[in-house]
Amino acid sequence: NAGVTQTPKFQVLKTGQSMTLQCAQDMNHEYMSWYRQDPGMGLRLIHYSVGAGITDQGEVPNGYNVSRSTTEDFPLRLLSAAPSQTSVYFCASSYGVGSGNTIYFGEGSWLTVV
Amino acid sequence: GIQVEQSPPDLILQEGANSTLRCNFSDSVNNLQWFHQNPWGQLINLFYIPSGTKQNGRLSATTVATERYSLLYISSSQTTDSGVYFCAVPIKAAGNKLTFGGGTRVLVKP
Repeated sequence: NAGVTQTPKFQVLKTGQSMTLQCAQDMNHEYMSWYRQDPGMGLRLIHYSVGAGITDQGEVPNGYNVSRSTTEDFPLRLLSAAPSQTSVYFCASSYGVGSGNTIYFGEGSWLTVV
Repeated sequence: GIQVEQSPPDLILQEGANSTLRCNFSDSVNNLQWFHQNPWGQLINLFYIPSGTKQNGRLSATTVATERYSLLYISSSQTTDSGVYFCAVPIKAAGNKLTFGGGTRVLVKP
């Protein structure tokens, strides 16, 4: 059981480049989300999805796009990378969208924009 | 939006010591979760505890929802307890869209 899998684990981008962070879960979870974690801080919600075909914005959505074509996959796209997007990105999933559902996190993707 | 504050920001413990971490939140919530981020960055869900007390081995947590705080107790600390402990509550009244506190960084020395 792989749980939540993120790729790549490390990436360096130049300012203005675009890229996609991949996230996949094999637990048939309805709810998936992306967070970013900046040094010394907690996680902030970027985008989330409550099911295939449904996405919505979180606290810090600017500069990111998401899509949810399947239950398993929830990729995060950086349209034109900026140094302010240097961060650690975590994908998470849970079975349901309501409170009380245990959230499972991926291992994180370390992104540096130069 | 709801504010989540954790204290202390840093904690250094000698192996075997006990400690208490605190999480204050600014509004009523029906969901509070504690997470541990180990030194390798991995995030593990410790407790879902909107109210009352729960125990899991050497860790226990208590949430007093009416007074808007939660406590995480670490007893007989071990070096593997090192890392950052986060509490998180829903951004809105319900659901799993979480807002995180700034964390308490714990270092347990052998």
